[in-house]
Amino acid sequence: GQNIDQPTEMTATEGAIVQINCTYQTSGFNGLFWYQQHAGEAPTFLSYNVLDGLEEKGRFSSFLSRSKGYSYLLLKELQMKDSASYLCAVTDSNYQLIWGAGTKLIIKP
Amino acid sequence: SQTIHQWPATLVQPVGSPLSLECTVEGTSNPNLYWYRQAAGRGLQLLFYSVGIGQISSEVPQNLSASRPQDRQFILSSKKLLLSDSGFYLCAWSVSENYGYTFGSGTRLTVV
Repeated sequence: GQNIDQPTEMTATEGAIVQINCTYQTSGFNGLFWYQQHAGEAPTFLSYNVLDGLEEKGRFSSFLSRSKGYSYLLLKELQMKDSASYLCAVTDSNYQLIWGAGTKLIIKP
Repeated sequence: SQTIHQWPATLVQPVGSPLSLECTVEGTSNPNLYWYRQAAGRGLQLLFYSVGIGQISSEVPQNLSASRPQDRQFILSSKKLLLSDSGFYLCAWSVSENYGYTFGSGTRLTVV
């Protein structure tokens, strides 16, 4: 079957750095997305990785290792507004998007 | 620029009542359209997707149906709601499968 695993919840301190991991087992791979979802709101696009390596976008970076079926989202200089759920999603060989259940990130002052 | 509209934002409906949620996209042609449901504290569940007018694919068996009467309009319906239909319903569009999805603001449905 197809599966995406992420931690259910993480806690970090304002100003610190946090890494949210995502592992996947899918039938084929055509890209990996990270989305941010604030409570009660729709998900918003953060990043897309299709090749191995690190993609940096401001305070957020996303890493992919296709051979390991592994990605992480790195958030630097955490702000209170970063408190949200972070969703990992993988496009499989049929170009279907498979979603993880999301990681709820709690930022403490 | 492209925008996606979804309404209503919240809805409380009795069991057995009908449902109609509408989603429209502006600023693009022939988008791929999707209906998702998200139960509280759960991941996104794909309900339906459409690659063109009148073309609907269903991912899970349920008492919901979808229609795409126009290129940029996607409707989610039910003839008789169940308690288990409660959830956060999201419409989304994409240019193609390997581009990011853009979501509407969502409808929070509570069936009582």
